[in-house]
Amino acid sequence: DTEVTQTPKHLVMGMTNKKSLKCEQHMGHRAMYWYKQKAKKPPELMFVYSYEKLSINESVPSRFSPECPNSSLLNLHLHALQPEDSALYLCASSHPSAGTTDTQYFGPGTRLTVL
Amino acid sequence: GQNIDQPTEMTATEGAIVQINCTYQTSGFNGLFWYQQHAGEAPTFLSYNVLDGLEEKGRFSSFLSRSKGYSYLLLKELQMKDSASYLCAVGSGGGADGLTFGKGTHLIIQP
Repeated sequence: DTEVTQTPKHLVMGMTNKKSLKCEQHMGHRAMYWYKQKAKKPPELMFVYSYEKLSINESVPSRFSPECPNSSLLNLHLHALQPEDSALYLCASSHPSAGTTDTQYFGPGTRLTVL
Repeated sequence: GQNIDQPTEMTATEGAIVQINCTYQTSGFNGLFWYQQHAGEAPTFLSYNVLDGLEEKGRFSSFLSRSKGYSYLLLKELQMKDSASYLCAVGSGGGADGLTFGKGTHLIIQP
């Protein structure tokens, strides 16, 4: 299995809703990532988990809350989002390497629309 | 700071060769990656360079010069399905570190 899967594919939510994005990989990777991508822009890093511990938080607002229940799963909990948070949310995973930056493999993304 | 530059758009002909350039100025360097992204889809990993020189993978090759802060992606025998955005990304830290992406080059393949 060489895939990163993400659910749901599409999500529409109001500003007062609470929802979660899910990501799963079964490649034995020990690092997982959340990126946000606005239309016609490159992906921007949000969070990195390494060995199930949060290692990087790129000053993301607290209305986004990541969770890594185990090495295969990564969640992104959403609460009180703003319309400008509408974007494609990409999950990625990587196998640890020594010294050089890991190669990251991306899931298909969740297209989020905040009304 | 991190700065990665690549052309916004390129056009090429089916069956031809195209070279997409990328220049970078980053606070650290631990690898340069090329990804392909079709509209509305996830980035797909194409190639990786950490040492100077050319890496070849089928129709795709990637080159790196660390002293010049320069890389290119070479696509041969272009096919219509190669129409996509090509993203240059740099990893500054080792291991599980986030990638900094360039704005991407939108490649249009014409018959």
